[in-house]
Amino acid sequence: NAGVMQNPRHLVRRRGQEARLRCSPMKGHSHVYWYRQLPEEGLKFMVYLQKENIIDESGMPKERFSAEFPKEGPSILRIQQVVRGDSAAYFCASSPGGGDQPQHFGDGTRLSIL
Amino acid sequence: GDSVTQMEGPVTLSEEAFLTINCTYTATGYPSLFWYVQYPGEGLQLLLKATKADDKGSNKGFEATYRKETTSFHLEKGSVQVSDSAVYFCALMFRDDYKLSFGAGTTVTVRA
Repeated sequence: NAGVMQNPRHLVRRRGQEARLRCSPMKGHSHVYWYRQLPEEGLKFMVYLQKENIIDESGMPKERFSAEFPKEGPSILRIQQVVRGDSAAYFCASSPGGGDQPQHFGDGTRLSIL
Repeated sequence: GDSVTQMEGPVTLSEEAFLTINCTYTATGYPSLFWYVQYPGEGLQLLLKATKADDKGSNKGFEATYRKETTSFHLEKGSVQVSDSAVYFCALMFRDDYKLSFGAGTTVTVRA
């Protein structure tokens, strides 16, 4: 399966811990997007990355959240000192190029904060 | 700002019934419009899209027509199946942009 791979599928953290979410884009895709889906809401854009570059992080909370897409390896969304309000489904999407090329989504990571 | 408004759910139907999910948008300019489907426990899959006025997107028996005059992109299917039970999201994106703006989603349950 050459689709977008996210892991873990489910992640449970206690308040104050760190959460790391991983995303491997589809083969041949160099553009990665992270979205967050809060309960009963649609997905909201968080950040857009290309290899080794953050292109747009306008949807990311200013504190505790960071993202990277290194030259080798998956993209990582990192949430430090998690709080209850961080509980959500986090989806990664990838595309072969930028602009309005179709984005292919992974199955998401469901983060629960105890 | 740009936004998408969808018909609130949940929607419950019997098999072979007709399905309509309303979607309207607010945007400056003419975005591309999309319907995504999310089956239980899975990520979003692109169902269909339309990039300009009067375009009709279709896939798996679903259709939606880009109506500029009413800023709408309603999703329809003539005869639903149990396997169509999912959450449906309407979304927009501008050309040369990359951010998808999603509606809140409509949960559809089809009963045998």
